[in-house]
Amino acid sequence: ETGVTQSPTHLIKTRGQQVTLRCSSQSGHNTVSWYQQALGQGPQFIFQYYREEENGRGNFPPRFSGLQFPNYSSELNVNALELDDSALYLCASSLDTDISSGANVLTFGAGSRLTVL
Amino acid sequence: GDSVTQMEGPVTLSEEAFLTINCTYTATGYPSLFWYVQYPGEGLQLLLKATKADDKGSNKGFEATYRKETTSFHLEKGSVQVSDSAVYFCAPRPGGFKTIFGAGTRLFVKA
Repeated sequence: ETGVTQSPTHLIKTRGQQVTLRCSSQSGHNTVSWYQQALGQGPQFIFQYYREEENGRGNFPPRFSGLQFPNYSSELNVNALELDDSALYLCASSLDTDISSGANVLTFGAGSRLTVL
Repeated sequence: GDSVTQMEGPVTLSEEAFLTINCTYTATGYPSLFWYVQYPGEGLQLLLKATKADDKGSNKGFEATYRKETTSFHLEKGSVQVSDSAVYFCAPRPGGFKTIFGAGTRLFVKA
């Protein structure tokens, strides 16, 4: 089975620009979660998509948005980039038959490292 | 709100030493509890999990027991190896959509 793949692996943007990050979930998985990991910190939850709808959101402003497609792949879009958006963005997929269950394991991609200048 | 606190690092040990990384959490209900590990140059991966009180998760010689009364999930290994050098994240999932990650504890194991 293929794992979670993310693209691009690295990118550099300037303040005010927009960025789109892409994620292909692991085969058989139906849920995608996005996390932001600043250097030396733990991952911070951005949002999750289940059945093509946003299922929950962390403490991130509306300029962070996303999509999930029928094949369960996903995009993270960030508008009006700020310097503090520089981080590693992680996508994680899981198989959730019951979205209220907490037992499901996340499978992570290697991440997209965004630098905002 | 839901939160997790884990032992600050870095932790430096000699090979074959005993390892404990403390983790406590605050969460509503009965969360599932996970430890994830990030090896140098690699992505996060599951190390072990426990889904109910008194469960013990184990993998690769690591163990952690779900202690509901103390809301803790401490990670232990009896004899660490150089290959265990990595960053370890305690991660409760309170149910629903969000897994919460601690700040991570970096472990260095010297030969």
